[in-house]
Amino acid sequence: DTEVTQTPKHLVMGMTNKKSLKCEQHMGHRAMYWYKQKAKKPPELMFVYSYEKLSINESVPSRFSPECPNSSLLNLHLHALQPEDSALYLCASSQDQARSSYNEQFFGPGTRLTVL
Amino acid sequence: RKEVEQDPGPFNVPEGATVAFNCTYSNSASQSFFWYRQDCRKEPKLLMSVYSSGNEDGRFTAQLNRASQYISLLIRDSKLSDSATYLCVVNTGSNSGYALNFGKGTSLLVTP
Repeated sequence: DTEVTQTPKHLVMGMTNKKSLKCEQHMGHRAMYWYKQKAKKPPELMFVYSYEKLSINESVPSRFSPECPNSSLLNLHLHALQPEDSALYLCASSQDQARSSYNEQFFGPGTRLTVL
Repeated sequence: RKEVEQDPGPFNVPEGATVAFNCTYSNSASQSFFWYRQDCRKEPKLLMSVYSSGNEDGRFTAQLNRASQYISLLIRDSKLSDSATYLCVVNTGSNSGYALNFGKGTSLLVTP
C-alpha cells in the first residue's frame, strides 16, 4: 500500500477562521512533509517531521502550525490566514534517511485551500 | 542560479513519437535524483528514481551524468495519457537528506 491520504480535499475559509488539514500514511514511513504548491509552480517545502519530531521549518509564518501526533499522522493547523495563502497543500512521506539513501517521497492528493 | 533547471516547454508531440527531457542541477554533492509526473490539479507521482547506471521502465528511460550534472528522461512511443508536467527532482543531501529540490517542470502534450 503506497497511499498517502489527505482530508479535506477542498477547504474554503475566512481570514479569521481556524481549521486543520490532516494527512495519514500506513507505509511505516518515519519522515513526513508538508508542501505548498501555487498554480504552475513546483511544490515548496514547508515542514519536515522525522520520527515525530520537527526537523525542518522552512521559515514558515506562525499562522501555519504543524503537529505530528504519531508516526502515521500529520496535521497542519491554520489560523488567521491571508488570501495569498490560497494554494494546494500537499503531504508526503518517505522512509527515514538512515534506511534509504534514495528517500523517495510519496505524495497525498492534496487539500485545495481557498482563503477569502 | 537555480538548483534544478528544466526546459519548461511545452513539448507538443504526436502519438507514437519519442520525446526527451533534460535537466541540470547545480550542486555537485547531490545524492539522489528522480522524475515525478504531475497531472493538472493532481499531486506529483513518482515516475522513476534515476540511478548512476541509468534505468529503464517500459517506455521510459532515465539517465544520469554526474560529471555534467545532467539528468534525462526519454519517453518512447508516446501515448495520449503521457500528457502531463514532468518534474526533475534532486536531493542535495542537505537538511538531513530530506529536502527535495524541484525543477519548475516540463509540460508535455501528446496529440492524436
